[in-house]
Amino acid sequence: LAKTTQPISMDSYEGQEVNITCSHNNIATNDYITWYQQFPSQGPRFIIQGYKTKVTNEVASLFIPADRKSSTLSLPRVSLSDTAVYYCLVGHMEYGNKLVFGAGTILRVKS
Amino acid sequence: SAVISQKPSRDICQRGTSLTIQCQVDSQVTMMFWYRQQPGQSLTLIATANQGSEATYESGFVIDKFPISRPNLTFSTLTVSNMSPEDSSIYLCSVGGPGGASPHTDTQYFGPGTRLTVL
Repeated sequence: LAKTTQPISMDSYEGQEVNITCSHNNIATNDYITWYQQFPSQGPRFIIQGYKTKVTNEVASLFIPADRKSSTLSLPRVSLSDTAVYYCLVGHMEYGNKLVFGAGTILRVKS
Repeated sequence: SAVISQKPSRDICQRGTSLTIQCQVDSQVTMMFWYRQQPGQSLTLIATANQGSEATYESGFVIDKFPISRPNLTFSTLTVSNMSPEDSSIYLCSVGGPGGASPHTDTQYFGPGTRLTVL
């Protein structure tokens, strides 16, 4: 499993766009990039997953450059309820594969 | 998606005792996972609970300390044995399921966790 590096923490204000970048220099050809969100006192929740270019869903966008050595999770117009820890994971993501969580990024959204 | 429940949601235990945590899923799944999250830390995988066979433990975790049962495809238990204050953590179970970027990838769905405090 590829090692990932994320900022330890980020601060933002309500209504702003937040971009969290994850470095994964040793990503393998068949690895996917997946982001999870964890609120206090809850288990992690899947946000988005991608392989290359750009993926968008109702929650976030994921930007992956051509070399795939990094990725950026973009949260549009954050609110106070987006305050959470965000984890970037890189791996095969096939059914049954275990997940290895890094330290994650603590996002604090202020009013 | 899968809906996962855990019991108990929290407990306070005395050192030297054992606690069994239950994980129930609303659908049949082949593999279930148990994680530990120590205060202020990230998640660490304890073991994979396989139905019909022994659990597969990660480095640093042993069956005598964390025995796991998997009697059927919707249920698993994790026991924390002979507890010490260092076992104070949140214990989470998870299962794999669809929702990934392709038909060949999956996501994992997590339970709400069991917050354990050992005195």
